[in-house]
Amino acid sequence: QQPVQSPQAVILREGEDAVINCSSSKALYSVHWYRQKHGEAPVFLMILLKGGEQKGHEKISASFNEKKQQSSLYLTASQLSYSGTYFCGTADRDDKIIFGKGTRLHILP
Amino acid sequence: DGGITQSPKYLFRKEGQNVTLSCEQNLNHDAMYWYRQDPGQGLRLIYYSQIVNDFQKGDIAEGYSVSREKKESFPLTVTSAQKNPTAFYLCASSILVIWEERNATNEKLFFGSGTQLSVL
Repeated sequence: QQPVQSPQAVILREGEDAVINCSSSKALYSVHWYRQKHGEAPVFLMILLKGGEQKGHEKISASFNEKKQQSSLYLTASQLSYSGTYFCGTADRDDKIIFGKGTRLHILP
Repeated sequence: DGGITQSPKYLFRKEGQNVTLSCEQNLNHDAMYWYRQDPGQGLRLIYYSQIVNDFQKGDIAEGYSVSREKKESFPLTVTSAQKNPTAFYLCASSILVIWEERNATNEKLFFGSGTQLSVL
């Protein structure tokens, strides 16, 4: 079953912040985050393992609450290059990675 | 340079025809995946393989078949039983970390550049 991402789409002005949420109905062992630009392959951002950790990548960070089976991706001081579709991928005990439907992010200058 | 290669970039299928999409990686990765991407649907898992000669169905395996005879290769066949094959197909690979019996974690996925399949 696909994890649920919200919101479906976000429009921001450059420099504004955004949060993308990902929730699953199943117990999770890890959460992956990827960004895809139009016509290109998804690019890895970060992995979070069970343990409630938070990780960062430039001005993009994420948290993982395994009890709530949720993860959130935080984009601060957004840049034009952040535009694209963000996908969360969740892995359970079988470790196959199932992706959500994505969140489209558009940054305006 | 190491990487994951998909071919062809564009593929057209006639009705009733089987077609095969190629995916090759020289990263020495254990796990390989096939995803289908349709607008608004995200990436849906077709098949995945964690080891040579073994693979498991994903959520939308009907109408597809795979093989994993070599570690570096994971071809996907779209059979005539797949009635709506038009989509963007992505192959991915990753290192698989075994951290205790029957438990494993995928490291980050490396994606190929994709194959756009259309029906004539």
